[in-house]
Amino acid sequence: QKEVEQDPGPLSVPEGAIVSLNCTYSNSAFQYFMWYRQYSRKGPELLMYTYSSGNKEDGRFTAQVDKSSKYISLFIRDSQPSDSATYLCAMKISGGSNYKLTFGKGTLLTVNP
Amino acid sequence: NAGVTQTPKFRILKIGQSMTLQCTQDMNHNYMYWYRQDPGMGLKLIYYSVGAGITDKGEVPNGYNVSRSTTEDFPLRLELAAPSQTSVYFCASSYGAGVDTQYFGPGTRLTVL
Repeated sequence: QKEVEQDPGPLSVPEGAIVSLNCTYSNSAFQYFMWYRQYSRKGPELLMYTYSSGNKEDGRFTAQVDKSSKYISLFIRDSQPSDSATYLCAMKISGGSNYKLTFGKGTLLTVNP
Repeated sequence: NAGVTQTPKFRILKIGQSMTLQCTQDMNHNYMYWYRQDPGMGLKLIYYSVGAGITDKGEVPNGYNVSRSTTEDFPLRLELAAPSQTSVYFCASSYGAGVDTQYFGPGTRLTVL
């Protein structure tokens, strides 16, 4: 079983739709959960991160973590064509000296005007 | 403040050739990383460094070498290029480990023929 599983898509939605992106993981030691956005031919950029379980909201974006199910989600409300990108989940175990990020394979999202 | 810069943007190599991918950051970050991203495969860590003079292997170090003589620069050396090294290479940096954000460069697209 892979440490982090992410459906690669592609996912195509109309403008204004609610988008749900998901990852599952197997390592119960993961404590930090991140979502990176990567535009075509660009480097990933951090979109949101959450610690442990719960929700975090930032504008149109909401990140959810369910540690009991080992499942994380990113919701995008009122999706815009500018949200078209690949979304990568990433996870890290706790510990001040720990650097290692484990990435999902990424989901390609297209928002059609 | 340019962030993380990488050169070149693109390169085609013949099998057996060598090259150095350059990475520079101007954020005074201690940690620097090299990742490769293959289509549909997510990001894999090649090497990382926790400060000048200190480097260590990541998940996929074979065929690569690094050095870190200054805080700002972290070049990646490919010796005896092979088709399996065809990939997009990303350099990243962070102030520390733990929850510190990793900032990515724009990438170098390498093809080995």
